[in-house]
Amino acid sequence: QQPVQSPQAVILREGEDAVINCSSSKALYSVHWYRQKHGEAPVFLMILLKGGEQKGHEKISASFNEKKQQSSLYLTASQLSYSGTYFCGTVPVMYSGGGADGLTFGKGTHLIIQP
Amino acid sequence: DGGITQSPKYLFRKEGQNVTLSCEQNLNHDAMYWYRQDPGQGLRLIYYSQIVNDFQKGDIAEGYSVSREKKESFPLTVTSAQKNPTAFYLCASSMGMGPGYEQYFGPGTRLTVT
Repeated sequence: QQPVQSPQAVILREGEDAVINCSSSKALYSVHWYRQKHGEAPVFLMILLKGGEQKGHEKISASFNEKKQQSSLYLTASQLSYSGTYFCGTVPVMYSGGGADGLTFGKGTHLIIQP
Repeated sequence: DGGITQSPKYLFRKEGQNVTLSCEQNLNHDAMYWYRQDPGQGLRLIYYSQIVNDFQKGDIAEGYSVSREKKESFPLTVTSAQKNPTAFYLCASSMGMGPGYEQYFGPGTRLTVT
């Protein structure tokens, strides 16, 4: 089932902060974050795993609340280059406790940074 | 430079014709994926492959077919049975299959069927 992202779109001035949320109705094993600029390929930002492990770009900050099945991506002191569409992808916990193979993406959050 | 290539960038076809989209990676990744992207819909998984000569259907496999004869190649055929084939198609790969592996995407192919 597709995760829900909020907000759908946000417009910021350069230097302002933004938070993008991703929530699921299922227990999650991992949450993935990607950014896509118009007409280009999505680029990997971060993975947050059940149990607290994270991997990704050092300048990206995110959280994963396993109990609430939610993740948030924090963009601080935004730069013009942060503009794009942000997608979260979720991997549910299988009945055995491990993670499933499939990654299901949300519909995306459009971020516009103005000078 | 290592990466994923997709060709062509733009593709136009007449309704009723099958069309094959190319995806090649030189990252030595085991897993490869095909996604479809429509405006406002995010990315939806069509097919994925964990190893050579093995692949599984994703969420929207109807009207599509794939092959994985070589590790570096994962072509997607959009058949005439696909009811609404016009979309942006993205190929991706990852080192392994599982919840902790990041995916690397190709530049995409925009298919228009009229």
